[in-house]
Amino acid sequence: AQSVTQPDIHITVSEGASLELRCNYSYGATPYLFWYVQSPGQGLQLLLKYFSGDTLVQGIKGFEAEFKRSQSSFNLRKPSVHWSDAAEYFCAVDTSDGARQLTFGSGTQLTVLP
Amino acid sequence: GAGVSQTPSNKVTEKGKYVELRCDPISGHTALYWYRQSLGQGPEFLIYFQGTGAADDSGLPNDRFFAVRPEGSVSTLKIQRTERGDSAVYLCASSLIARPANTGELFFGEGSRLTVL
Repeated sequence: AQSVTQPDIHITVSEGASLELRCNYSYGATPYLFWYVQSPGQGLQLLLKYFSGDTLVQGIKGFEAEFKRSQSSFNLRKPSVHWSDAAEYFCAVDTSDGARQLTFGSGTQLTVLP
Repeated sequence: GAGVSQTPSNKVTEKGKYVELRCDPISGHTALYWYRQSLGQGPEFLIYFQGTGAADDSGLPNDRFFAVRPEGSVSTLKIQRTERGDSAVYLCASSLIARPANTGELFFGEGSRLTVL
């Protein structure tokens, strides 16, 4: 069965530091991959997505992610974190051949220190 | 508003009661999805509609859960004989189209928080 693993439940970084959030997936075919961010009182917001082509994808708010098929990973990165990036981040895989039935990881809570 | 609207934002009910949660998708979006997010977990797929019909309801946990979308726009998630384990945030999302895969971003609402006492 398909699954998404986010091994880090909680990450703390200082403002201005770099960030990498890990995501591993288990899926037999070529996956469609997503990163979402969820802030308190707000709905899930799409940061970026990977469907095909260039394995390094750029998203909103200065985030990027790299798809590595050999490692079944899709890690999210940001070179310099801002205090407003504090939120929960979810990796998701579309296992429905594009019908957007997403399987989500359990999330990584990001705390940003001043 | 322009986004996905869900009502109520909070619902507290007693075990055994019936609950309805409403989702108003973005105008013109043909695909509508329900997810459930339990505390400390990522959202879990429940059901999705393409137009008026439920294209896939494989995520509904049991027959106490039912959803409708009679006119292809607003959807209602219905839960009968609620149990404490049903407590969660119920998220609705819509998409312009369900296929093909390389278009149609999912837009999520803020969710309806259900608490069953």
